[in-house]
Amino acid sequence: NAGVTQTPKFRVLKTGQSMTLLCAQDMNHEYMYWYRQDPGMGLRLIHYSVGEGTTAKGEVPDGYNVSRLKKQNFLLGLESAAPSQTSVYFCASSYGTGGYQPQHFGDGTRLSIL
Amino acid sequence: TQLLEQSPQFLSIQEGENLTVYCNSSSVFSSLQWYRQEPGEGPVLLVTVVTGGEVKKLKRLTFQFGDARKDSSLHITAAQPGDTGLYLCAGTNAGKSTFGDGTTLTVKP
Repeated sequence: NAGVTQTPKFRVLKTGQSMTLLCAQDMNHEYMYWYRQDPGMGLRLIHYSVGEGTTAKGEVPDGYNVSRLKKQNFLLGLESAAPSQTSVYFCASSYGTGGYQPQHFGDGTRLSIL
Repeated sequence: TQLLEQSPQFLSIQEGENLTVYCNSSSVFSSLQWYRQEPGEGPVLLVTVVTGGEVKKLKRLTFQFGDARKDSSLHITAAQPGDTGLYLCAGTNAGKSTFGDGTTLTVKP
């Protein structure tokens, strides 16, 4: 039972480069989320999706784009990486709304922008 | 913007001591979650509280949701080194969660 799988686990980029982070879940969850976590701070929502083909902006969406072409996958793209985007990125998924619908997290992608 | 404030930010105690972590907001949430995160891993759900005034117990951990559903507390009895980690609270409305900045707990043997 894999749950939520994130690839890659680590990546170093140069300023201006682009890359895509992949999140895959095998729990048939409707909702998926991308967060970033910086030292001394909690998780901040970048973008989220309430179903296949839909995406919405979160708290800190600037500089990122997302796509949800398949229900099980949620991709996070950085078009032109900046040092301020150095962070640990977490993907999560849940069945949907409601008080008993917790989010299940992947183990994160550690991204450094030089 | 809904904000959640956790206190204390850091807590270092000896094995066997009791502790309480607080999570406060001016916003009302339909539910509140507590997560525990270990280094190099994603957060793992400990509990979800939904009803104002609700108290849930998970072995040595006691979680309480405030009557107005704006705040919560986590109490650990007789802390053990295995309780060491980052504790995060998250308030949820309509499927979206707002996270606090976390409490880093260190339990020394």
